Amino acid sequence: QQKVQQSPESLSVPEGGMASLNCTSSDRNFQYFWWYRQHSGEGPKALMSIFSDGDKKEGRFTAHLNKASLHVSLHIRDSQPSDSALYFCAAREGGGRALIFGTGTTVSVSP
Amino acid sequence: DTTVKQNPRYKLARVGKPVNLICSQTMNHDTMYWYQKKPNQAPKLLLFYYDKILNREADTFEKFQSSRPNNSFCSLYIGSAGLEYSAMYLCASSPTGGNQDTQYFGPGTRLLVL
Repeated sequence: QQKVQQSPESLSVPEGGMASLNCTSSDRNFQYFWWYRQHSGEGPKALMSIFSDGDKKEGRFTAHLNKASLHVSLHIRDSQPSDSALYFCAAREGGGRALIFGTGTTVSVSP
Repeated sequence: DTTVKQNPRYKLARVGKPVNLICSQTMNHDTMYWYQKKPNQAPKLLLFYYDKILNREADTFEKFQSSRPNNSFCSLYIGSAGLEYSAMYLCASSPTGGNQDTQYFGPGTRLLVL
């Protein structure tokens, strides 16, 4: 069973709109979470990390973590065509080195 | 500069032949990782080096080898490629491998085994 599950699989957003991505883990040992973004032909690039419950905002991106429900989300405000990419949620256990990834959400932003 | 480089970007291999993929980073990171990604699947950790210590995941232990001749370089070696090895191979590095360390990824090597 996939330990990190993402939804939706794909998402279409108009330019200037809000994109909301979800991630749920099935392992309570996960303590640290990242969102990665991968453009075609490139490797995943870390967007932001979140380790404490609540919201974390970086520019147009806001992550939210609720450890009790094992849920982390990413919201992209004022979406731009350059935000079109594959977004991964990744989690790590305390004391672990491996990142456990979800299968990703493909975001398409149309002008 | 958080650049991780991988060579080659594309690799065509024959079944039964060896494959060697190369990764380099100039950030003086202690830990380097190799992930395998297949279409519509999550990237999956194969192994990682913390300094000179190699750790391989249990389910891929016998399928992949690696070496790290110095801090900057790390290779991934497949002794006898099978069709199931066709995938994208992603190299990453992180400063210490600590809990809150971000991993920085290279562009990947796309391996096709025929």
